[in-house]
Amino acid sequence: EAGVAQSPRYKIIEKRQSVAFWCNPISGHATLYWYQQILGQGPKLLIQFQNNGVVDDSQLPKDRFSAERLKGVDSTLKIQPAKLEDSAVYLCASSLNRVNIQYFGAGTRLSVL
Amino acid sequence: DQQVKQNSPSLSVQEGRISILNCDYTNSMFDYFLWYKKYPAEGPTFLISISSIKDKNEDGRFTVFLNKSAKHLSLHIVPSQPGDSAVYFCAASGENAGNMLTFGGGTRLMVKP
Repeated sequence: EAGVAQSPRYKIIEKRQSVAFWCNPISGHATLYWYQQILGQGPKLLIQFQNNGVVDDSQLPKDRFSAERLKGVDSTLKIQPAKLEDSAVYLCASSLNRVNIQYFGAGTRLSVL
Repeated sequence: DQQVKQNSPSLSVQEGRISILNCDYTNSMFDYFLWYKKYPAEGPTFLISISSIKDKNEDGRFTVFLNKSAKHLSLHIVPSQPGDSAVYFCAASGENAGNMLTFGGGTRLMVKP
């Protein structure tokens, strides 16, 4: 069974530029999550989708971050414009539904210079 | 306000000995707890979980203990192996929190041969 796929693996941008990350969850998983993991900290949930609807985005900085999950499968997370403090690993996870174990992708490491 | 805390950022153990990783939480509405393991450049992988109706769950070399009155859980690895060297994250969720995971900051375990 294929795991959660994320791309790119690494991205380096300058502040005020925009960037997008892509996630393909495990086939059949209805719930998809985006997390931000700053160095030395645990993952922090940014947004949770159930199929193509948003369940929770209370931790998403909506002035610069946006996410979508069209057709309830793949998802993209965008940052525009990026700030230095956005440097982190962005993790995507999926689960069968909201109460099941979450499976994580390898993440995208973003460096904002 | 950190609702899940792992107070030891690192732990070093000799191969064959027991590793004990600790986790404290403050939100009494949490009723499901998980441990994830993370190797460098990989996403977190699920290790073991425990429901609040239990005080112990065992899976091979891994045992999780839950003390609800103290709001404390621990992960025991016996015997420890060099391949167990990784960062371990404690996470908690609850139905009243939308079943979303709140992670601790992680503990880096080093098992020396």
